[in-house]
Amino acid sequence: KNEVEQSPQNLTAQEGEFITINCSYSVGISALHWLQQHPGGGIVSLFMLSSGKKKHGRLIATINIQEKHSSLHITASHPRDSAVYICAVLNYGGSQGNLIFGKGTKLSVKP
Amino acid sequence: NAGVTQTPKFRILKIGQSMTLQCTQDMNHNYMYWYRQDPGMGLKLIYYSVGAGITDKGEVPNGYNVSRSTTEDFPLRLELAAPSQTSVYFCASVGKSLNTGELFFGEGSRLTVL
Repeated sequence: KNEVEQSPQNLTAQEGEFITINCSYSVGISALHWLQQHPGGGIVSLFMLSSGKKKHGRLIATINIQEKHSSLHITASHPRDSAVYICAVLNYGGSQGNLIFGKGTKLSVKP
Repeated sequence: NAGVTQTPKFRILKIGQSMTLQCTQDMNHNYMYWYRQDPGMGLKLIYYSVGAGITDKGEVPNGYNVSRSTTEDFPLRLELAAPSQTSVYFCASVGKSLNTGELFFGEGSRLTVL
């Protein structure tokens, strides 16, 4: 079982829809990142979370430390949101150099 | 500007050639990483470093070497390039202490071995 599980793996939405991507993890963490990668592009951190909720524009990220679960929400989705979204947990002192990635969620938003 | 700088962005190598991918960060981050990403796939850890003078192997270290003589720099060396090393390489850094948890990626280096 992977230490970081994301769902769904693939997601197709119509423009304007509300989108949720989930991430569950089984290790202790210092922080959790939601990353975005556009096709053929670089990787950027959208959010870093250690507790609670953060909002940036149409994107909202939440984390529940007790349940070891995080969600990324996109409101009023747009075709430019089409990308792979990756959950990454930072576990100082853990394996894999302290940084463990989920397998990613490929989002496609149709106009 | 703060961030991770990777060079070169693109490179074509012949089989058996060697090269070094450069990675520099100016955020005083302790942790640095090299990943490769094959088409349609996730990131695979090649090597990582938790501080100057300390490096360790990741999931796919064969055919690569690294060094970490300073906090800022973490070059990745490819010796005797093989077609299997055709990939996109990403360098990343993570902060600790004052900038705990900050995570930055370089823009990536697309390497083709022919």
